[in-house]
Amino acid sequence: DVKVTQSSRYLVKRTGEKVFLECVQDMDHENMFWYRQDPGLGLRLIYFSYDVKMKEKGDIPEGYSVSREKKERFSLILESASTNQTSMYLCASSLFTANEKLFFGSGTQLSVL
Amino acid sequence: AQSVAQPEDQVNVAEGNPLTVKCTYSVSGNPYLFWYVQYPNRGLQFLLKYITGDNLVKGSYGFEAEFNKSQTSFHLKKPSALVSDSALYFCAVRDGGENTDKLIFGTGTRLQVFP
Repeated sequence: DVKVTQSSRYLVKRTGEKVFLECVQDMDHENMFWYRQDPGLGLRLIYFSYDVKMKEKGDIPEGYSVSREKKERFSLILESASTNQTSMYLCASSLFTANEKLFFGSGTQLSVL
Repeated sequence: AQSVAQPEDQVNVAEGNPLTVKCTYSVSGNPYLFWYVQYPNRGLQFLLKYITGDNLVKGSYGFEAEFNKSQTSFHLKKPSALVSDSALYFCAVRDGGENTDKLIFGTGTRLQVFP
């Protein structure tokens, strides 16, 4: 069965900390995505990647960066965490073509205190 | 730029009744449209998609959706709701006219099915 695994289900960090959210997929998918989910705002795209070492900004990239050194792994980095980055973070992957569905991880609930 | 709207925050329906969850979209090219469902404390699961062809698309768990180009809508439907259908539903769109893999989601509609 296909799988997207996010390293932590819950994470609590302090303001100013550097935070790494890890995501691994076992489907050999080219595309990987990071979204954040907030009540009333739905899912908003932070960054996506269509190949190793390639990345594109989504709609809300400010305060975030990403890394994709290997095809199966896509990391989201909060350089200096702030309280407004408290959110549910969802990773997803898909095959390269635009009509393919996304497979999602279970999410990481990040709280920044 | 592509966008998608879900005008209802919540939809309430009695078990056994038909349900509709609304979605409208805006793209410059041909739309690729998707519905996803999120059960409590879970990630999103794919329900169905429209790429081309028949305007009525059938998906998982008895759901279907109707693509209406003139109204730029892609409403999710089910003839007879179950209590277990209670969840958060998201509509999403990719712009087939743009050279991008960006998938944009709506704000979500919470479906509550009462026994």
